[in-house]
Amino acid sequence: GAGVSQSPRYKVAKRGQDVALRCDPISGHVSLFWYQQALGQGPEFLTYFQNEAQLDKSGLPSDRFFAERPEGSVSTLKIQRTQQEDSAVYLCASSSSLLAGVNNEQFFGPGTRLTVL
Amino acid sequence: SQQGEEDPQALSIQEGENATMNCSYKTSINNLQWYRQNSGRGLVHLILIRSNEREKHSGRLRVTLDTSKKSSSLLITASRAADTASYFCATRAGGSYIPTFGRGTSLIVHP
Repeated sequence: GAGVSQSPRYKVAKRGQDVALRCDPISGHVSLFWYQQALGQGPEFLTYFQNEAQLDKSGLPSDRFFAERPEGSVSTLKIQRTQQEDSAVYLCASSSSLLAGVNNEQFFGPGTRLTVL
Repeated sequence: SQQGEEDPQALSIQEGENATMNCSYKTSINNLQWYRQNSGRGLVHLILIRSNEREKHSGRLRVTLDTSKKSSSLLITASRAADTASYFCATRAGGSYIPTFGRGTSLIVHP
């Protein structure tokens, strides 16, 4: 496809369940970001990949959050034992820049809206 | 934490009017970017202004940057109903590749 895609678009989980969110970046984009966006807030950085290497995971809120990008393309964000405070929209963005998009724009996916009951 | 803060939080105008929203930030930056987010969608990049630039135009958009005041403004001229969206500024502090977004300005343009 032409843009970044994410699946599922909506996910409802019971507290304590594990969830996996998928991101398909634009083909050939080396940089991939995950963000968490709470209602009424701007996106907050979670983690960054350059190809398959996770260079920064400083934004992950707890060790229940795990992200991977094993072949340098598709990425999965996994949340274990979900809590109500994990409810948010999770956005993925990719960039063609090797400099992690410092001067290049990021292309965002539509996001996955996670609701934890 | 969010470095950039947009002002106002909400803006309601009539079609054809101009819309101005502001962004203030705290630390020195490499560049500042403005994004638009339509309801239920991802963010769309609008314009990037580098720290050594003062003004930039793109179609009906005009962005200014005042590094001495650590602020930027986004002007949308001759607004349209389709401009209804949330607008975010994102900054990158010097040496960092992590963009920091503000809380956004919610713009409603009434037809």
